[in-house]
Amino acid sequence: GEQVEQLPSILRVQEGSSASINCTYENSASNYFPWYKQEPGENPKLIIDIRSNMERKQTQGLIVLLDKKAKRFSLHITDTQPGDSAMYFCAASGSNNRIFFGDGTQLVVKP
Amino acid sequence: EAAVTQSPRNKVAVTGGKVTLSCNQTNNHNNMYWYRQDTGHGLRLIHYSYGAGSTEKGDIPDGYKASRPSQENFSLILELATPSQTSVYFCASEDRGDAETLYFGSGTRLTVL
Repeated sequence: GEQVEQLPSILRVQEGSSASINCTYENSASNYFPWYKQEPGENPKLIIDIRSNMERKQTQGLIVLLDKKAKRFSLHITDTQPGDSAMYFCAASGSNNRIFFGDGTQLVVKP
Repeated sequence: EAAVTQSPRNKVAVTGGKVTLSCNQTNNHNNMYWYRQDTGHGLRLIHYSYGAGSTEKGDIPDGYKASRPSQENFSLILELATPSQTSVYFCASEDRGDAETLYFGSGTRLTVL
């Protein structure tokens, strides 16, 4: 299969705390895992990605972890701010070099 | 940054009518995609293309056709629109270099009455 499962569907956190979104994938050949952020009324934009030769990647308050054995990857947002409120999509590469998306997580950062 | 332009931004159509959604990209990307976004379903792939003259079925192609007449243009065609096709449609082009980044257009909100 090529499904990507993403949880939770809604995540509410207090400003300044961290937020974590978890995804699992089915295709053991997947080697590219991007994360997209979509603000209300906007289009999705790439915020960070990780390849299968890495286990951890960090940039500007975002951390991505990849566990290939468990076919699991996650996004961690440290010190959340109201501007982090958005829809987040995980994705994994699959057959025919396609990208398969999870169903999204609505992150709400409460002031 | 890659420029992907969709038109129209909003469209109201009647059931049984024909709808064409247009997408233009100016970055010479080979791959282009059409997704629809509905609450609870995320981004679902309808059709995609590897280059001019090529179209491939995605995960939910029924009721949709696609056309890629040139590197720059990729259209999504609803021959007989139905209310179930009411959705937000996103076009994307893909940089097949190291990044494999998808660049999305601003979306088309389609309402079928």
